[in-house]
Amino acid sequence: NAGVTQTPKFRILKIGQSMTLQCAQDMNHNYMYWYRQDPGMGLKLIYYSVGAGITDKGEVPNGYNVSRSTTEDFPLRLELAAPSQTSVYFCASSYSDAADYEQYFGPGTRLTVT
Amino acid sequence: GENVEQHPSTLSVQEGDSAVIKCTYSDSASNYFPWYKQELGKRPQLIIDIRSNVGEKKDQRIAVTLNKTAKHFSLHITETQPEDSAVYFCAASRRSDMRFGAGTRLTVKP
Repeated sequence: NAGVTQTPKFRILKIGQSMTLQCAQDMNHNYMYWYRQDPGMGLKLIYYSVGAGITDKGEVPNGYNVSRSTTEDFPLRLELAAPSQTSVYFCASSYSDAADYEQYFGPGTRLTVT
Repeated sequence: GENVEQHPSTLSVQEGDSAVIKCTYSDSASNYFPWYKQELGKRPQLIIDIRSNVGEKKDQRIAVTLNKTAKHFSLHITETQPEDSAVYFCAASRRSDMRFGAGTRLTVKP
């Protein structure tokens, strides 16, 4: 199993550009999550999904959109990138509720908006 | 929403000493408290967790304690080794909405 994979590893965006961060898992997990980690800080939940077709906002959803059309994929869309979105983005997945099953993290995408 | 505070932000110990990191949470409905270790440039990795129906859990040199009444939980690492050097995060969650502390940078000096 590849586990949780993320692409790209690094990206530099200009202010106002858009992009999609890709996340995929091959563990047949139902739950998937997107977090951002600012320098020297903990992770903050952006969006999560409990299954295909279902998404919910986390702590910091503004400026982002998600979709979940398949169990395997959970892309994160940034529209009109802003410098405040400079961060490392981690995708994670778990078999079911994160309070009952371990979350497995992807390697992260380092995004810089200038 | 839930607010998790973590102390200290940095901790330096000599090899072989113990290290203690403390967290407090605000939402009494939180029922799951994991601890993650993150090495520089790497993804977070779960090292130990505890649920609200348990007061203490131990795994070799690592232990976690939970005081639900006071809404605080702690990570204890005994006999520290240089490879324990990393940033440690606590978290609290109610279902899938997990909130993290700001992290503790632990340095173990040989």
